[in-house]
Amino acid sequence: GEDVEQSLFLSVREGDSSVINCTYTDSSSTYLYWYKQEPGAGLQLLTYIFSNMDMKQDQRLTVLLNKKDKHLSLRIADTQTGDSAIYFCAEILNTDKLIFGTGTRLQVFP
Amino acid sequence: NAGVTQTPKFQVLKTGQSMTLQCAQDMNHEYMSWYRQDPGMGLRLIHYSVGAGITDQGEVPNGYNVSRSTTEDFPLRLLSAAPSQTSVYFCASNKAGRGTDTQYFGPGTRLTVL
Repeated sequence: GEDVEQSLFLSVREGDSSVINCTYTDSSSTYLYWYKQEPGAGLQLLTYIFSNMDMKQDQRLTVLLNKKDKHLSLRIADTQTGDSAIYFCAEILNTDKLIFGTGTRLQVFP
Repeated sequence: NAGVTQTPKFQVLKTGQSMTLQCAQDMNHEYMSWYRQDPGMGLRLIHYSVGAGITDQGEVPNGYNVSRSTTEDFPLRLLSAAPSQTSVYFCASNKAGRGTDTQYFGPGTRLTVL
């Protein structure tokens, strides 16, 4: 199967941490990605993780991968109002197809 | 570099009309894709191309045609527009192959079919 699922909404207070979760079904995925989409714009790659890693940190972003449970998460430390956007996880299959999740809308309030 | 450009930004069509959504990239990328974005459904792959002269179907190809006569351009044609094709369309490009290569997205075309 090629399903990638995410919760639709997340609301956090400015300065708190945000955790966006994603589950995928295809165990052959080699890379998993997080993209950010700001209003009226295309998608921008935030970070990625190779499937043989379980954690990757990139400044305020931490990606955790639980390959056994096929669960991916993105933690944003010290969330700012500029982080308000839709976040998509995506997996790449052997066919080079990129399969996107449904997207999580992150709302940051002061 | 202009990156990935799409025209038009907005379009309204009547049912049955045809039109072409344009996509161009100036990064000499071999791999180009068209997605549609619908609320609550994420992005779904319509068609993709791994190089000039080569195209293949994605998840939701019905009602759409593509061609890739040059590396730079990857137009998407709607043959006979239907209300179910109301969506936001994104074109993307990247160098061929899997892995960490970033996929660059255009700004999108918002299409409404009445």
